[in-house]
Amino acid sequence: AQSVTQLDSQVPVFEEAPVELRCNYSSSVSVYLFWYVQYPNQGLQLLLKYLSGSTLVKGINGFEAEFNKSQTSFHLRKPSVHISDTAEYFCAVSDTTSYDKVIFGPGTSLSVIP
Amino acid sequence: IAGITQAPTSQILAAGRRMTLRCTQDMRHNAMYWYRQDLGLGLRLIHYSNTAGTTGKGEVPDGYSVSRANTDDFPLTLASAVPSQTSVYFCASSDSFSPNSPLHFGNGTRLTVT
Repeated sequence: AQSVTQLDSQVPVFEEAPVELRCNYSSSVSVYLFWYVQYPNQGLQLLLKYLSGSTLVKGINGFEAEFNKSQTSFHLRKPSVHISDTAEYFCAVSDTTSYDKVIFGPGTSLSVIP
Repeated sequence: IAGITQAPTSQILAAGRRMTLRCTQDMRHNAMYWYRQDLGLGLRLIHYSNTAGTTGKGEVPDGYSVSRANTDDFPLTLASAVPSQTSVYFCASSDSFSPNSPLHFGNGTRLTVT
């Protein structure tokens, strides 16, 4: 079975500063990895996904993530954040070997300070 | 705009009462899901349906039931609500019941059981 850890429950950062949101996973098999964003009072939206190929994945709104198999990590980064990036961010993992369900991490709340 | 519609947006429910949360999608997605979101726990899968006419149990199915009579609708029923079912409920869909198929979410139903 898979599990997902997001080490930081809250991350405050000043506007235009860089940010990294950490995600680590555990799995005995190959995985697909996702980052979702949830704006206040809304459902989750897909930011980016890693299925195969290049380990650096680019998503919407200037975000990117790097898959590191040896460290079982999939950290999310943005070089310069905006106020509009304030939201909850969820890392998720799914098992590539079965049509099983996605497992979500507990989420990281990003607060961008003007 | 294509997507997922959930109703009601919020509800306060007395313990022991029956409640059905509605979910409709217009994307013709084959797979649909119900998640509950609780602070610090991320999203947990309640039930899923990989295609019309079939359903399956997720991580936390007890106290909930679902049906999938057609492609578009996937209602979630609480037969006799309990306070531990206080949560935000999200309906989601994906093009296929595949581990690499991203999820599309509705805006959620906030349920309080008193």
